[in-house]
Amino acid sequence: NAGVTQTPKFRILKIGQSMTLQCTQDMNHNYMYWYRQDPGMGLKLIYYSVGAGITDKGEVPNGYNVSRSTTEDFPLRLELAAPSQTSVYFCASSRDRATYEQYFGPGTRLTVT
Amino acid sequence: AQSVTQPDIHITVSEGASLELRCNYSYGATPYLFWYVQSPGQGLQLLLKYFSGDTLVQGIKGFEAEFKRSQSSFNLRKPSVHWSDAAEYFCAVGLKTSYDKVIFGPGTSLSVIP
Repeated sequence: NAGVTQTPKFRILKIGQSMTLQCTQDMNHNYMYWYRQDPGMGLKLIYYSVGAGITDKGEVPNGYNVSRSTTEDFPLRLELAAPSQTSVYFCASSRDRATYEQYFGPGTRLTVT
Repeated sequence: AQSVTQPDIHITVSEGASLELRCNYSYGATPYLFWYVQSPGQGLQLLLKYFSGDTLVQGIKGFEAEFKRSQSSFNLRKPSVHWSDAAEYFCAVGLKTSYDKVIFGPGTSLSVIP
């Protein structure tokens, strides 16, 4: 039972480069989320999706894009990476809005230099 | 604006001692409340949750939390801490906004002395 998987685990980007963080869940959850975690700041919601083909912005969406073509996958795209995007990124999923319980992936540690 | 505060950035306890981690929230109504734990290098795992009913909730790994409406608090407790409990603990609040947003607190880092 894989749950939520994320790749890569670590990545170093140069300023201005682009990359896609992959997220896949095998629990058939409708809701999926992308968070970033900065030291002492808790988690901030970047984007979320309530189902295939439906996405919306969270608290800190600038500099990121997402798509949701299938129930399982929710990739996060960074365009023109900036040092401010150095962070740990977590993908999460939940079954429905009634329970709110979220299942998290192991995270991707991204450094932009 | 809604917010979640965890007043203690870092706590150190001895193994076998009791533990209480504090959480306060600011919201106009009773939200859904959660505690998550993050072990080093791992994602977050749900410890327990409160939706309604009994204000004392039991979770995994021997943790419990008590919802106090009058204090807008949801403190996490454990009677006897184990070395494996060393981790980061996040309180979270689920809000009934248009997209069912969950707000996380800044976290409390727990160290356990053998």
